[in-house]
Order: sequence, then C-alpha cells, then structure tokens
Amino acid sequence: DSGVTQTPKHLITATGQRVTLRCSPRSGDLSVYWYQQSLDQGLQFLIQYYNGEERAKGNILERFSAQQFPDLHSELNLSSLELGDSALYFCASSVEVGGLYGYTFGSGTRLTVV
Amino acid sequence: AQKVTQAQTEISVVEKEDVTLDCVYETRDTTYYLFWYKQPPSGELVFLIRRNSFDEQNEISGRYSWNFQKSTSSFNFTITASQVVDSAVYFCALSEANVNSGYALNFGKGTSLLVTP
Repeated sequence: DSGVTQTPKHLITATGQRVTLRCSPRSGDLSVYWYQQSLDQGLQFLIQYYNGEERAKGNILERFSAQQFPDLHSELNLSSLELGDSALYFCASSVEVGGLYGYTFGSGTRLTVV
Repeated sequence: AQKVTQAQTEISVVEKEDVTLDCVYETRDTTYYLFWYKQPPSGELVFLIRRNSFDEQNEISGRYSWNFQKSTSSFNFTITASQVVDSAVYFCALSEANVNSGYALNFGKGTSLLVTP
C-alpha cells in the first residue's frame, strides 16, 4: 500500500457519460498530480493541485476538470466521455510543490468507455 | 516536443543476461530531477530511483545501476543478471524545477522488457 488511495479501481461507462475519479493523497502530502496513461499518448500529466489550489496544467482536455478539497483529497471529473478517453488514470502525491522528495503514486483507476 | 526519449520500445533477453535501458532527456533548466519507474503487468507504478541534476554520481542498488551523464543528457538504467521478475515496462521521467511545470513528471514512452527463462 503506497498510501495514495484511488477509487474506483475499475470503471466502465458509456460514451457521453460523466464520471468522477477520486484520490486521497498520502498523509501529510499537500500536492496532488493527475496523469493519464493511454496506448496512444503514453503517460501524460493532466493537472496539479497544491493545498486546494490549481498549480499547473498539462494536456488536460476542456471536458475534464479537477479540484482539491479542504481535506486534500482530489477528484477528477471527466465529462462527455469518448472512446478515446479509455485509459488508466493515476494520481500521485508529494510533500510539497516541487516533488523534491519524490512522488507517491496510487494504483490507478482503469476507465473503459464503451 | 518529447522531453524524454526512450528509443527502445521493446527488449527481450534471456534470464541472467545484462540489459541496459536508454533514456535521453531534454531541458533548459539547470535544476531538474530524473526518475525511473517500473510498471509490472499488474499496472502500478513502482519508484526505482530519483537523481537531481547536481549529482552525477552513478548509483548501484543490488542488480540495478544507473549511469547519469549530463554531457550527453542521458540517464541509463542497467539490470545485471536479469530475472523473469524484471519483466515490466520501465519509464524514465524528468521533473523540471520551475513553477510553470508544477514540477510535474514528463514521462518517456517506456521500454517493455521481457526476460525469458
């Protein structure tokens, strides 16, 4: 157990639907990163939050959004889902913005859009 | 532009062979961090090593060793006496120390290593 909890582990949904992925960071970590791993694009950074605020954006689609709550858990919302959104979504946490002490990854949520 | 290049898409070796996974990175920052992660068939990302740009010392951990050369912007990973359990996809990643990037990880495409008995 890495200390980063992602739920659900698997999700199957239809095109056009909306889903929410949840991430609880390791205790004490203030920074949360979301990554998408797909066959086409590999592992891509989506978005980062630090202590409730958005800090950096990567290749995140406009149909996707995220937030970090006061208890530091984060949610990634994916809407108007397309077949191409099928991927493994990872959350990672770190102590502070820089990730200078490394990142702890969750086990991922596998999303299948049918 | 790809900041981390792992030119080897797939490598197949026989158990006990040594194997080197190549990683070339690109950055304009003077402070950055390099990582290697292992992704076994089960899918999780397993942290292997982190190196900062000011520390070019090579590192050895058991059968694993890493060679960091700033002159060639490379951070190669060698597995000595490979074992079947080493079969996985290995990712090299770069974290640039600037606010714009949020210190997020830029991953290479990964190298799939298959070790056969």
